[in-house]
Amino acid sequence: DSGVTQTPKHLITATGQRVTLRCSPRSGDLSVYWYQQSLDQGLQFLIQYYNGEERAKGNILERFSAQQFPDLHSELNLSSLELGDSALYFCASSSDSYGYTFGSGTRLTVV
Amino acid sequence: AQTVTQSQPEMSVQEAETVTLSCTYDTSENNYYLFWYKQPPSRQMILVIRQEAYKQQNATENRFSVNFQKAAKSFSLKISDSQLGDTAMYFCAFISPPQGAQKLVFGQGTRLTINP
Repeated sequence: DSGVTQTPKHLITATGQRVTLRCSPRSGDLSVYWYQQSLDQGLQFLIQYYNGEERAKGNILERFSAQQFPDLHSELNLSSLELGDSALYFCASSSDSYGYTFGSGTRLTVV
Repeated sequence: AQTVTQSQPEMSVQEAETVTLSCTYDTSENNYYLFWYKQPPSRQMILVIRQEAYKQQNATENRFSVNFQKAAKSFSLKISDSQLGDTAMYFCAFISPPQGAQKLVFGQGTRLTINP
């Protein structure tokens, strides 16, 4: 157990639908990051939150949004889903140094 | 822009052999951290080893060690006495600056297969 909890582990939904992925960071970590990994691809940075505020934005579609709550958990909202959004979505958390700790990911399948 | 390049999409070695995975990066920063992550078939991302750029000594974690060449911007991973459980995708990653928790930049990965 890495200490970063992602739910759900698997999600199957239809095109056009909206889903919410949840992440609880490791205790004491203020930063939460979201990454997308399509099949056999590297990890693409989506967005970072630090202590409730958006800190950095990557290649995140306008149909996607995220937020970090006062208890530091984060949610990634994906709407108007398309087949191409099928991927593994990782959440990671960090303190101010020494890299990230990753959750086990949410596998999203859009059918 | 900071980039990380892994030039070996796939590698395959026999069990107990030593294998080296290559990674180069591009940055104008002087202070940064480098990482190798392992992603086994379970898809979990597991930190293998980290290196601080200000440290000249190469990091070592059991059978895993790095060859960090700062001037050449090279950061290779050596796996000694390879085991079947080392079969995985390996990603090289970079972060700068380390304070303020900036985003990790990943390479495209090297798929390593350890054969019995």
